Amino acid sequence: EVQLVESGGGLVKPGGSLRVSCAASGFALETYSMNWVRQAPGKGLEWVSSISRGSSYMYYADSVKGRFTISRDNAKNSLFLQMNSLRAEDTAIYYCAREGRGAGVYYFDYWGQGILVTVSS
Amino acid sequence: DIQMTQSPSSLSASVGDRVTITCRASQSVSNSVNWYQQKPGKAPKLLIYAASTLQSGVPSRFSGSGSGADFTLTISSLHPEDFATYYCQQSFNTSITFGQGTRLEI
Repeated sequence: EVQLVESGGGLVKPGGSLRVSCAASGFALETYSMNWVRQAPGKGLEWVSSISRGSSYMYYADSVKGRFTISRDNAKNSLFLQMNSLRAEDTAIYYCAREGRGAGVYYFDYWGQGILVTVSS
Repeated sequence: DIQMTQSPSSLSASVGDRVTITCRASQSVSNSVNWYQQKPGKAPKLLIYAASTLQSGVPSRFSGSGSGADFTLTISSLHPEDFATYYCQQSFNTSITFGQGTRLEI
């Protein structure tokens, strides 16, 4: 059974840093690109970042570019998101999501349960 | 970035109704549109990918259509468990974007 479990969330002050993790199980992490998606309280979904299977390619939303860094450790079945210079508007539930591919299109076929990050003084 | 605009933003319907949600992209995205369902307090769930392909395990009352810039998600006969928020998503390029969501209410 595919499982994605996020951890590392919490309360952080504006300007602070936090690293969230996603533990993957039930599939070979090294064969999938992975993503982070966030959802501010009461709002819609916002894609944050993606990383290719071997970490050769990383992409970021403009809203986090230069502040967030995505990484992975395939040997440890883990995905990470290092968040620096945090702002109040980064407050959200952060989901990790596996990137599936089919019919020439990629999509997010499995999601974690999400972890809350709150940026507040 | 490609903007995805869903309509309506909210929709009231009854069990057994047929409902359609539309999603318009700000430019052509070929068939690179996916649909997700999200219930309160839960992670999103993939329903449809590549505009019209039903994800494994998803009931056949869900269907998707469209190509280019205009897409639709149709639920042929609403079940009680279908009341949720629905999002379209484009994966045409590396800067993925979601629609703002459509809240389907009883």
